[in-house]
Amino acid sequence: NAGVTQTPKFQVLKTGQSMTLQCAQDMNHNSMYWYRQDPGMGLRLIYYSASEGTTDKGEVPNGYNVSRLNKREFSLRLESAAPSQTSVYFCASSEVKFWGALDGYTFGSGTRLTVV
Amino acid sequence: AQSVTQLGSHVSVSEGALVLLRCNYSSSVPPYLFWYVQYPNQGLQLLLKYTSAATLVKGINGFEAEFKKSETSFHLTKPSAHMSDAAEYFCAVSDDQGGKLIFGQGTELSVKP
Repeated sequence: NAGVTQTPKFQVLKTGQSMTLQCAQDMNHNSMYWYRQDPGMGLRLIYYSASEGTTDKGEVPNGYNVSRLNKREFSLRLESAAPSQTSVYFCASSEVKFWGALDGYTFGSGTRLTVV
Repeated sequence: AQSVTQLGSHVSVSEGALVLLRCNYSSSVPPYLFWYVQYPNQGLQLLLKYTSAATLVKGINGFEAEFKKSETSFHLTKPSAHMSDAAEYFCAVSDDQGGKLIFGQGTELSVKP
């Protein structure tokens, strides 16, 4: 099925460990996004990539890095995990027209990360 | 900067009753507006979207929303709630450049038998 695939689905890290969350989409979308979801706070944008080769910070980028490896793949890296990064992480993709029209996101199923 | 406010973090209705989930946005330009639904332990699924065509937008599962520019609102409704509608619902607005979505805090809908 077409869509957005995230790996892993669950992860437990110790404080200070690093890891990379993987995301791939097969809809040929130009834009990709990483959000985190915390209770009562909705979804907050961490980083996004408007097109292959470009990345930009969102609302909560501190402690994270991203790589837009190609049009399909957009990874999120935690260099030194902290308990405050315990969250559910969602990757999404979308086709954004040059005039700004947005069709809406397709979301992955999420990665539930716990940092102890 | 754009923002979106969902009134009520929890809404409870009886099966068969009207569902009304409220969303207000701040925007200086006509925005794109979306409603998403999230079932437990799943990703978000698009319910419906407003993109400056008809002000009354029909979505999946019997949901609809009306764009009211004068009230800067985009409330989600369903005439008759079903047990399977129990989920968390998110309203989202596009940013000024149109490429990113800003989400509300979410409203958890409970449906009582």
